[in-house]
Amino acid sequence: GAVVSQHPSWVICKSGTSVKIECRSLDFQATTMFWYRQFPKQSLMLMATSNEGSKATYEQGVEKDKFLINHASLTLSTLTVTSAHPEDSSFYICSASTGNSPLHFGNGTRLTVT
Amino acid sequence: AQSVTQLDSQVPVFEEAPVELRCNYSSSVSVYLFWYVQYPNQGLQLLLKYLSGSTLVESINGFEAEFNKSQTSFHLRKPSVHISDTAEYFCAVRKMNTGFQKLVFGTGTRLLVSP
Repeated sequence: GAVVSQHPSWVICKSGTSVKIECRSLDFQATTMFWYRQFPKQSLMLMATSNEGSKATYEQGVEKDKFLINHASLTLSTLTVTSAHPEDSSFYICSASTGNSPLHFGNGTRLTVT
Repeated sequence: AQSVTQLDSQVPVFEEAPVELRCNYSSSVSVYLFWYVQYPNQGLQLLLKYLSGSTLVESINGFEAEFNKSQTSFHLRKPSVHISDTAEYFCAVRKMNTGFQKLVFGTGTRLLVSP
């Protein structure tokens, strides 16, 4: 089946630094990738939709300058949390789709900002 | 806009007992319905989906869900649970003919299976 690899699975960083999270579709070309944020015991909240070769579409309330998304190829999207703060600590999940296919999710990245 | 309600945040059950996880949705138009499962520190995996046709859909690991349009529900059931079914279960909905960016998730139900 389709596999989406997300790396790293967990990361701890100091306040003020930036962290990059990668999302790769390993055996298919993902025209669209989605980035979600999940708070403890809560559901997934869509942060942005990323289409290969174009700018990401951010959901209302998500700071595009803080959460930089790049979708440079059909198999890779990255999320960079810039100038991270403790309130950015969360579980970040990506998913990928070829359009009409079901969503395939990565295993998530747990970010802890100290 | 669509919304999804999962009334039970946690459902404890003994192994081999039956279970039902409730999901109700709200939408003024026709929708697609999904159940996803999330194991600890992992992403979501599609468990089953209703797109059209038979209102009863089944997964390969014994779960089933029935779309009830009149009650706007899509409850998930399993007649006999295993310890390995312990996980978080999310119901999700999106309007027909829209993309996955319009997928709306419920708040999740944690299924706790004990021996």
